[in-house]
Amino acid sequence: DAKTTQPNSMESNEEEPVHLPCNHSTISGTDYIHWYRQLPSQGPEYVIHGLTSNVNNRMASLAIAEDRKSSTLILHRATLRDAAVYYCILRDVGDKLVFGAGTILRVKS
Amino acid sequence: GAVVSQHPSWVICKSGTSVKIECRSLDFQATTMFWYRQFPKQSLMLMATSNEGSKATYEQGVEKDKFLINHASLTLSTLTVTSAHPEDSSFYICSAMAGPYSGANVLTFGAGSRLTVL
Repeated sequence: DAKTTQPNSMESNEEEPVHLPCNHSTISGTDYIHWYRQLPSQGPEYVIHGLTSNVNNRMASLAIAEDRKSSTLILHRATLRDAAVYYCILRDVGDKLVFGAGTILRVKS
Repeated sequence: GAVVSQHPSWVICKSGTSVKIECRSLDFQATTMFWYRQFPKQSLMLMATSNEGSKATYEQGVEKDKFLINHASLTLSTLTVTSAHPEDSSFYICSAMAGPYSGANVLTFGAGSRLTVL
């Protein structure tokens, strides 16, 4: 499984945008970039995923570098409910979803 | 959207007893289900992958005789922790995937089951 590197923690103010970075320098051409988040005492939930192009959905945006060696999850307006652990995971055909340590996002009111 | 139901959400049992946790995909057929465990302040650790109608594939270091996984239908997988001991106390989470096993497939997770063994 290709590896990802994320900051241990980040802090944001409520109502402000948050940019969560992820480095994946060994990504292969067929690896999809997935983001999941886990709120306290809950199972993870899907946030967004992409392959090469930037992606937007109702929860977030995913900006993928041109060389695909890094990506950024963008929460456009952080709320207290966005406080969670965010996981950036690479997944190829047949790959299991293997979780790293993730980034703990704290949102201040 | 896809929903995965996990039951029970929490369970307390005595040491030496067995506990069964169910994972159901409510509105889709799950060709593959995954079982994870999570200790406090740690990330999720994949325990096993199960495909409907076949034996589960366990990750290295996970005792298959202790953690029995059955995926009898396309909507139900069960994890049985046999002869549970206090060190088995953990948060167990299942996830389910529909469709072919591709990198684009998204997993849906259950809410988790917290097991406490006294």
